[in-house]
Amino acid sequence: GNSVTQMEGPVTLSEEAFLTINCTYTATGYPSLFWYVQYPGEGLQLLLKATKADDKGSNKGFEATYRKETTSFHLEKGSVQVSDSAVYFCALKITGKLIFGQGTTLQVKP
Amino acid sequence: EAQVTQNPRYLITVTGKKLTVTCSQNMNHEYMSWYRQDPGLGLRQIYYSMNVEVTDKGDVPEGYKVSRKEKRNFPLILESPSPNQTSLYFCASSSYLAGGTDTQYFGPGTRLTVL
Repeated sequence: GNSVTQMEGPVTLSEEAFLTINCTYTATGYPSLFWYVQYPGEGLQLLLKATKADDKGSNKGFEATYRKETTSFHLEKGSVQVSDSAVYFCALKITGKLIFGQGTTLQVKP
Repeated sequence: EAQVTQNPRYLITVTGKKLTVTCSQNMNHEYMSWYRQDPGLGLRQIYYSMNVEVTDKGDVPEGYKVSRKEKRNFPLILESPSPNQTSLYFCASSSYLAGGTDTQYFGPGTRLTVL
């Protein structure tokens, strides 16, 4: 079946540290891949997406590359800020259905 | 402003008392969906709708009903709520395109507690 697995959180970093949140997927077919972010008390917002292998999605300093050979879509940012503290969800979309990972909480300390 | 609205935002109720959570979008989206969010489980889809009068079950539909009589509205109905339906609920909408390149827009969430 189709599924998404994210690294367990919470992830705690100091400001300006490098961030990686791992995401791997299992899918029959060719999914689109997404990272969504949920700030405290809010709904999910699309952070970035990639629709085919080797595509790189990027937004607000975050990046993720669609790696078909490793079925991965790891989220990275070179220098995190306190305002990046949130829950990050990796997701795939296939045959019209969006499937989420369990979410990874990121806490950035000043 | 393009948005998805949900009401109520917070609700505490008792077992067996029917309730409805409303969802409305102003983007003329065809596709709408309901999710529940539980710790450690991420978001799981309850029901979705491809267009008016077209609805289908998601991964966890038991205990829920939906209807899509108008394009903009997609209410979630709990006929007889139980404590295991205590959760955070999100409505989402998107412009459905074959190929899976569309983006879903989420409402702010409804926190439901069933006692």
